Amino acid sequence: DTGVSQDPRHKITKRGQNVTFRCDPISEHNRLYWYRQTLGQGPEFLTYFQNEAQLEKSRLLSDRFSAERPKGSFSTLEIQRTEQGDSAMYLCATGVNEQFFGPGTRLTVL
Amino acid sequence: GQNIDQPTEMTATEGAIVQINCTYQTSGFNGLFWYQQHAGEAPTFLSYNVLDGLEEKGRFSSFLSRSKGYSYLLLKELQMKDSASYLCAVKVVGYQKVTFGIGTKLQVIP
Repeated sequence: DTGVSQDPRHKITKRGQNVTFRCDPISEHNRLYWYRQTLGQGPEFLTYFQNEAQLEKSRLLSDRFSAERPKGSFSTLEIQRTEQGDSAMYLCATGVNEQFFGPGTRLTVL
Repeated sequence: GQNIDQPTEMTATEGAIVQINCTYQTSGFNGLFWYQQHAGEAPTFLSYNVLDGLEEKGRFSSFLSRSKGYSYLLLKELQMKDSASYLCAVKVVGYQKVTFGIGTKLQVIP
């Protein structure tokens, strides 16, 4: 158990719909990361928070993607106007050097 | 940017030893990680090397040569449950994000 939970574990949506995922570190972690992983690839970095501040953001993160961590504890990742190419596993992680991943949210866009 | 190369697939026999290589090209190197990922699951942390040399942790060892941009993960006394993808990842100075390779899919056969 890495101490990171994610909800939902699976999400199926239709193209054009908005979706929101949640990440809950069980204990207090001031660093939180979001990654996206497609089949046959390694995780790709999306964004990084230190407490509530979003300090790093990948160029992969288009304007349709937004992430928040309002109180420095849980975080949400929202995708607006989903596209089929957004289908992937979305992973949340915490840690200082080594990163401990939550179980992920698998998104399927039909 | 960072460039990480590792073999896409390997096969090894139960009880044997296998070495998974990783080469990387990056500026401002600040650490190399190995993760294990079983199909359908999130990556789990195995090792972190920032200085040259060998780090041993049970049946798993990881080696780093910064001057050669090279690392390997050594798995001893292979077990069937070691069948998984092994991800090599690097971190650079000034950034918190971790860049992953595509992973090496290891199949352990009886």
